[in-house]
Amino acid sequence: QKEVEQNSGPLSVPEGAIASLNCTYSDRVSQSFFWYRQYSGKSPELIMSIYSNGDKEDGRFTAQLNKASQYVSLLIRDSQPSDSATYLCAVTGSARQLTFGSGTQLTVLP
Amino acid sequence: NAGVTQTPKFRILKIGQSMTLQCAQDMNHNYMYWYRQDPGMGLKLIYYSVGAGITDKGEVPNGYNVSRSTTEDFPLRLELAAPSQTSVYFCASSYRGQGNNSPLHFGNGTRLTVT
Repeated sequence: QKEVEQNSGPLSVPEGAIASLNCTYSDRVSQSFFWYRQYSGKSPELIMSIYSNGDKEDGRFTAQLNKASQYVSLLIRDSQPSDSATYLCAVTGSARQLTFGSGTQLTVLP
Repeated sequence: NAGVTQTPKFRILKIGQSMTLQCAQDMNHNYMYWYRQDPGMGLKLIYYSVGAGITDKGEVPNGYNVSRSTTEDFPLRLELAAPSQTSVYFCASSYRGQGNNSPLHFGNGTRLTVT
């Protein structure tokens, strides 16, 4: 069973702080990595994708990938209350199907 | 541009009843997917389709059936509802397959309760 695991949370950070969300995966041949954001009662929406080792920045979001350690993370700088949501890590493995983690609930406190 | 449209939004079924969850997309996407999401859990793939007339099982297909007669529509059928099928169901579509730089576009979900 190929797994994607996320830090269980919930995670609370003060407004303006950096939120760090972590994800590990078990399938060594995984090639594609995604972060989806899901507001309560809503559907997931893609916020970041990363394919190569290193960092990828998009506005206040930075995705970091380390394939040797089988680890992907999402940093949210200058966190805002509107960032409060569940963040789902998703990984495409050898079967070329997305496997989702169970999500980390983030609360940004005003 | 409606994107991915799911109906109904909510449904309560009795054990043993049947129903069809409807999903339609207007983005001309070849790839379509059905996921279920249990409370506090991630999304599990039930079935997917890579084009009209082609469907395949995902991680948790038991108790479900699908068809894909057109590019636009991808209904999910529950034949004999069981309490274990209580969940939120999401339909999604993408321009290319999973693993490519092709995001999933999700519908708003169907919240199903089986009692």
